[in-house]
Amino acid sequence: AQTVTQSQPEMSVQEAETVTLSCTYDTSESNYYLFWYKQPPSRQMILVIRQEAYKQQNATENRFSVNFQKAAKSFSLKISDSQLGDTAMYFCAFMKGSGGGADGLTFGKGTHLIIQP
Amino acid sequence: KAGVTQTPRYLIKTRGQQVTLSCSPISGHRSVSWYQQTPGQGLQFLFEYFSETQRNKGNFPGRFSGRQFSNSRSEMNVSTLELGDSALYLCASSLASGSDTGELFFGEGSRLTVL
Repeated sequence: AQTVTQSQPEMSVQEAETVTLSCTYDTSESNYYLFWYKQPPSRQMILVIRQEAYKQQNATENRFSVNFQKAAKSFSLKISDSQLGDTAMYFCAFMKGSGGGADGLTFGKGTHLIIQP
Repeated sequence: KAGVTQTPRYLIKTRGQQVTLSCSPISGHRSVSWYQQTPGQGLQFLFEYFSETQRNKGNFPGRFSGRQFSNSRSEMNVSTLELGDSALYLCASSLASGSDTGELFFGEGSRLTVL
């Protein structure tokens, strides 16, 4: 079974600062995906960024980027130039790839990120 | 294109009752997954349906069931409700089975309160 651990229950930074959210995972799978999802107070979960395990290059999406360290099983999210709208719960998630027997997404407990004006 | 629609958004039931939640996926999406979100257990996978067939099921008792219709809309049912079933139930859709695309689109959820 897979596990996903987010060690920071809550973080608070000033607007325009850069913040990094941590995530570690444990799996014996070789083919998998890693995700960061954002859940604002309105509750709809939104995909922030996705990383395929076989890709060595770190994924980036505008102000969001990841540091994927496969050997260390680490998958951190960096938010640059943080904005008030970034305030939300952030969940790190794992999914087995095709042929691995999908069990849906395995989520971490989440990090509550607060951007202060 | 409309997003994932879940109904009802809020509902209150009493112990022992049953409840049915509905999910309409994004047009063209054939896979629907369900997740339970609680403060204590976090987000947990319930099951996934693809082309009217249950593909996968999480570690939940048989009181939790679901189905998918030919138009890809899905329903989940919880029978003999317990206080611990109080949760936000999230539905997610994807083009194909989630394991193939790795990308899910979530609805806003149905908030169930069991008294």
